[in-house]
Amino acid sequence: EDQVTQSPEALRLQEGESSSLNCSYTVSGLRGLFWYRQDPGKGPEFLFTLYSAGEEKEKERLKATLTKKESFLHITAPKPEDSATYLCAVRTSGTYKYIFGTGTRLKVLA
Amino acid sequence: DGGITQSPKYLFRKEGQNVTLSCEQNLNHDAMYWYRQDPGQGLRLIYYSQIVNDFQKGDIAEGYSVSREKKESFPLTVTSAQKNPTAFYLCASSPSGGSKDEQFFGPGTRLTVL
Repeated sequence: EDQVTQSPEALRLQEGESSSLNCSYTVSGLRGLFWYRQDPGKGPEFLFTLYSAGEEKEKERLKATLTKKESFLHITAPKPEDSATYLCAVRTSGTYKYIFGTGTRLKVLA
Repeated sequence: DGGITQSPKYLFRKEGQNVTLSCEQNLNHDAMYWYRQDPGQGLRLIYYSQIVNDFQKGDIAEGYSVSREKKESFPLTVTSAQKNPTAFYLCASSPSGGSKDEQFFGPGTRLTVL
């Protein structure tokens, strides 16, 4: 069964304290892996797409990486405005379905 | 500006009522999706549509219905058969071909059963 698992469920960081969020996946064939940011009461906002192992994408303080079994979202020197829930999703080859993890709730303290 | 709109933002339903949630996109995307989000849970797929006049059940389709008469629109009806409809509903769209696969989401509709 195709599955996406995110860890940790929640993470509290001090401002400037770098860390990583994990997304592990089990799929029959990976078409793409996606990271989203979701603020409370809002729809998810697209961050990155990764397609193959070894690929990396960066945007401001965020960097996403991909291996054959997992992806990491690295947050460097986070600021309070980075506080949000970060969602990971995969799309399997040959389908239009996306499978989402339950997310990591990130809180960055000033 | 291109994007996805959902209405209403908040919706209240009485027991036994059917309600319809609106989703419109002007991104020229072929595929559209409806998800349900409950506290502490991931997004669960209700229905999706790859092209006009065609749609498929997702993982939790019971008690819901959809139509796809136009490329831009994918309304979701929550019927009285859905026993626990209180949730945050998200509509999304994605291109069906080309090099881009990411989904784009609307702002969501929060449905509460009174």
